[in-house]
Amino acid sequence: EPEVTQTPSHQVTQMGQEVILRCVPISNHLYFYWYRQILGQKVEFLVSFYNNEISEKSEIFDDQFSVERPDGSNFTLKIRSTKLEDSAMYFCASRQNQETQYFGPGTRLLVL
Amino acid sequence: GQQLNQSPQSMFIQEGEDVSMNCTSSSIFNTWLWYKQDPGEGPVLLIALYKAGELTSNGRLTAQFGITRKDSFLNISASIPSDVGIYFCAGQPIFQGAQKLVFGQGTRLTINP
Repeated sequence: EPEVTQTPSHQVTQMGQEVILRCVPISNHLYFYWYRQILGQKVEFLVSFYNNEISEKSEIFDDQFSVERPDGSNFTLKIRSTKLEDSAMYFCASRQNQETQYFGPGTRLLVL
Repeated sequence: GQQLNQSPQSMFIQEGEDVSMNCTSSSIFNTWLWYKQDPGEGPVLLIALYKAGELTSNGRLTAQFGITRKDSFLNISASIPSDVGIYFCAGQPIFQGAQKLVFGQGTRLTINP
């Protein structure tokens, strides 16, 4: 069964460093998403991406964040200058035309 | 923004018991989804509901999309140890252009063998 994959599974970085989180959505899906989950809390929407542009973003997704689909398979989330409060699990999700979103296993980001 | 109130926050039950959890909101949602999350992993879709009043089953799981579009419940019958985990409801807001999912706070299920 096709699934969303994410790399790396874990990332440790110093505050102020740039990180890039990578996702490979399900191949025939058209809509892509990033969510985050701070430890012990609920999953929060960051950004949605369709037709090579951002379609919606939350207030969390400030100018330190960016997304890109550099080729036909990858979907990346970049954090330019990480802060301590960026430590969280980051989930990529994708969907086809219907509303069901499928989630990847996540990248655990720890900012020191 | 839209908020989903999920209850209960946690449940401690005996193996074999039935489980019920629900989500409510003051806003209308287009779609209700129920996910299960194991520690350190991503949410796994259990059931998707697309129509008000829809009742859907997936094995021992049953979920319903409330008639008012503002609530949903998930039932698990005859619980087994592998049902342990955190269950999240998620809804897609109904207004045009909204593609995000709004998640509830989760229900942590613990099962005593």
